[in-house]
Amino acid sequence: AQRVTQPEKLLSVFKGAPVELKCNYSYSGSPELFWYVQYSRQRLQLLLRHISRESIKGFTADLNKGETSFHLKKPFAQEEDSAMYYCALLNNAGNMLTFGGGTRLMVKP
Amino acid sequence: NAGVTQTPKFRVLKTGQSMTLLCAQDMNHEYMYWYRQDPGMGLRLIHYSVGEGTTAKGEVPDGYNVSRLKKQNFLLGLESAAPSQTSVYFCASSYELGWSYEQYFGPGTRLTVT
Repeated sequence: AQRVTQPEKLLSVFKGAPVELKCNYSYSGSPELFWYVQYSRQRLQLLLRHISRESIKGFTADLNKGETSFHLKKPFAQEEDSAMYYCALLNNAGNMLTFGGGTRLMVKP
Repeated sequence: NAGVTQTPKFRVLKTGQSMTLLCAQDMNHEYMYWYRQDPGMGLRLIHYSVGEGTTAKGEVPDGYNVSRLKKQNFLLGLESAAPSQTSVYFCASSYELGWSYEQYFGPGTRLTVT
């Protein structure tokens, strides 16, 4: 069975500090991973896909198959990054996501 | 495009009451999903649909029923509400598969069962 674990429920950093939100997965096939974000009073939305190797709002995420991790990183956190972040894994059929428990990021001024 | 909409936004039920949550999407998406969001537990899939007239169970289906009579609508029903069903419910839809896959979410329905 596929599983996604986000070990930190809350991560608090100061503005300008680096931030790393951890995500670990268990999956038997070749994983397709995503990060979703939910800002206050907004709906959940896609932040980035690992396959695209993109950087969105300064965030990047690298898939490490050896460590089965897909940590989200940003070198300099901004106050507007404060939000709930979810790591998600796509199933074999490509039509369903398994979400982690989420990490709330708080960026203090 | 309104995207994914949910009705109602808030609801308070008494134990044993029933209700239906409506999800509508105007993007012609094949796939639709119902999740519940609870603190520390993230998003858990209740039921989903891969097309009009189809439904399937997700991770936590007990106590819920769904119907997809029209492609654009996905209904979630609670026949006899329990306090354990107090949660925020999100509907989502998608159409692409594979690497370009993306789920589009509704704004959520906050349900309290007393």
